[in-house]
Amino acid sequence: NAGVMQNPRHLVRRRGQEARLRCSPMKGHSHVYWYRQLPEEGLKFMVYLQKENIIDESGMPKERFSAEFPKEGPSILRIQQVVRGDSAAYFCASSRGTGGHQPQHFGDGTRLSIL
Amino acid sequence: AQTVTQSQPEMSVQEAETVTLSCTYDTSESNYYLFWYKQPPSRQMILVIRQEAYKQQNATENRFSVNFQKAAKSFSLKISDSQLGDTAMYFCALHSTEGSGDKLTFGTGTRLAVRP
Repeated sequence: NAGVMQNPRHLVRRRGQEARLRCSPMKGHSHVYWYRQLPEEGLKFMVYLQKENIIDESGMPKERFSAEFPKEGPSILRIQQVVRGDSAAYFCASSRGTGGHQPQHFGDGTRLSIL
Repeated sequence: AQTVTQSQPEMSVQEAETVTLSCTYDTSESNYYLFWYKQPPSRQMILVIRQEAYKQQNATENRFSVNFQKAAKSFSLKISDSQLGDTAMYFCALHSTEGSGDKLTFGTGTRLAVRP
């Protein structure tokens, strides 16, 4: 499968635990984006990364959330001390470059449930 | 700031008929891209069609076409010969490179049901 790979598909955490979501972009793609989808809503942009750099994190909550895209390995979205309101679907997308002429291709998402 | 508005929360269409989903947007950029994504019950996000703002010709992809009205900032999706597999949420999205960014702004979606 040459598409964007996200794991796990489903993640259950108790309040106060940490959640780590992983995203491997499509082959040849060096741009990664994270979006959050709350129930019955559209996707909301969180963060845009290139290898080892955060380019735009204007959609990230100021506390508890962080993202990285190391030189080797997948991009990680990390949520510390999770709360019920973090329950959502988190989608990763990747593209070959910037600009709308390089469309973003999405993974299947990670459904995060907080008990 | 970019905004995308989908004013139809739900739509229904008979199989083999044609349906049009509405989308309006607002942006201060002169060149931009618009997209329609489909999210079936499996909840994947699938790119349906893309339109470049500087192109006057409306994009088409098989049974899917758009009506792009730049002056009115309108970007509707027409699905011809609807099939049961078209049942899904449809999201309109605007691509922005505002600031240092490179992101999509999504509407709230239209849930389409195709009736047999």
